Amino acid sequence: AAGVIQSPRHLIKEKRETATLKCYPIPRHDTVYWYQQGPGQDPQFLISFYEKMQSDKGSIPDRFSAQQFSDYHSELNMSSLELGDSALYFCASSLDSSTDTQYFGPGTRLTVL
Amino acid sequence: GQQVMQIPQYQHVQEGEDFTTYCNSSTTLSNIQWYKQRPGGHPVFLIQLVKSGEVKKQKRLTFQFGEAKKNSSLHITATQTTDVGTYFCADNTGTASKLTFGTGTRLQVTL
Repeated sequence: AAGVIQSPRHLIKEKRETATLKCYPIPRHDTVYWYQQGPGQDPQFLISFYEKMQSDKGSIPDRFSAQQFSDYHSELNMSSLELGDSALYFCASSLDSSTDTQYFGPGTRLTVL
Repeated sequence: GQQVMQIPQYQHVQEGEDFTTYCNSSTTLSNIQWYKQRPGGHPVFLIQLVKSGEVKKQKRLTFQFGEAKKNSSLHITATQTTDVGTYFCADNTGTASKLTFGTGTRLQVTL
């Protein structure tokens, strides 16, 4: 079965640079969620989209922005990167109309040097 | 804000022993989901509990939702090395809404 795809899987950036993370949800899933997981921490909700509109917002820094496109894929844009942004970034998708189960992608490991 | 705590933070058992992780919320939960995250992996959905006092079983795993819907537990009978990972409970506040994860319990199983 198709799963959530995230790219890139690994990313290394310098401080103050920008990064773009991409997420391709499971086909027919119309809801996308972004989570940030620091080392040894639980995943923290950043933002979600439903039918290309932002549906909920969590602890996402103002330096970050995200959107969902017409084909339902989503991008998380991160600017002025800081050392503390180093983490695993997970995207999850759900078929909102029938279930709230969120299916997670493999994650993007971002390292800021 | 809402806090979802899990205990213990870490448990090391020998294969064949039982394991239980407890999840406690500072607020009443809409429903509770459980996820397993293998080392280096991503969270994988295990189950969702909705009703007060609900008990569900998946092979060696037993999940329970408290009567007051403020706590939940996951019990693994006769652990195996394949059970290694971190188990998270998570509150799902409804359709298209965020998951608030518990602090997680890391399980280590040795032969």
